[in-house]
Amino acid sequence: SQQGEEDPQALSIQEGENATMNCSYKTSINNLQWYRQNSGRGLVHLILIRSNEREKHSGRLRVTLDTSKKSSSLLITASRAADTASYFCATCNQTGANNLFFGTGTRLTVIP
Amino acid sequence: AAGVIQSPRHLIKEKRETATLKCYPIPRHDTVYWYQQGPGQDPQFLISFYEKMQSDKGSIPDRFSAQQFSDYHSELNMSSLELGDSALYFCASSLGFRDYEQYFGPGTRLTVT
Repeated sequence: SQQGEEDPQALSIQEGENATMNCSYKTSINNLQWYRQNSGRGLVHLILIRSNEREKHSGRLRVTLDTSKKSSSLLITASRAADTASYFCATCNQTGANNLFFGTGTRLTVIP
Repeated sequence: AAGVIQSPRHLIKEKRETATLKCYPIPRHDTVYWYQQGPGQDPQFLISFYEKMQSDKGSIPDRFSAQQFSDYHSELNMSSLELGDSALYFCASSLGFRDYEQYFGPGTRLTVT
């Protein structure tokens, strides 16, 4: 990966449980974005958190950012079978450009 | 709401052929990005354009070129195709150049045989 690692690489939970995915990155960032991808399909933007923010919520999603540890987490509460997908974090670095560097992704399976 | 449109959705080419992928950004978005995602891999940034000018270049092979036109749509031209070019190619667009959400299209699946 151009950017870093996500863990776990795969996560399997029961419907209704919470799912937590972690992302680490290597350089200073402007923002970090989380995306969802169903198998072989497009990337769906979930949430953007800026480097001066520590936590952000959107519906059942909660994202945290710790710039001192260069890490972020995505929490999905009350998971549903439809949440089954791969989740990627992507960083926008402080290089003057706006391209994204993606992590390796977490494959989430929610069992009905 | 209008999304990013990519065409074609699927493309099969033979080695050494050329391919052109098209991307139509969300209306009013002025920045376009191209990414390549190999099987089981994370997306890799190729190239981006802001206001019809190339703004950043990533791991794009010299065999590939791209441009953004006056109506903001973009085309990725790929020549001398190799088997390793088989991948999903995503286009994304954003409103503004820095610190904005990127919205991805459905992708073009390119298969080189």
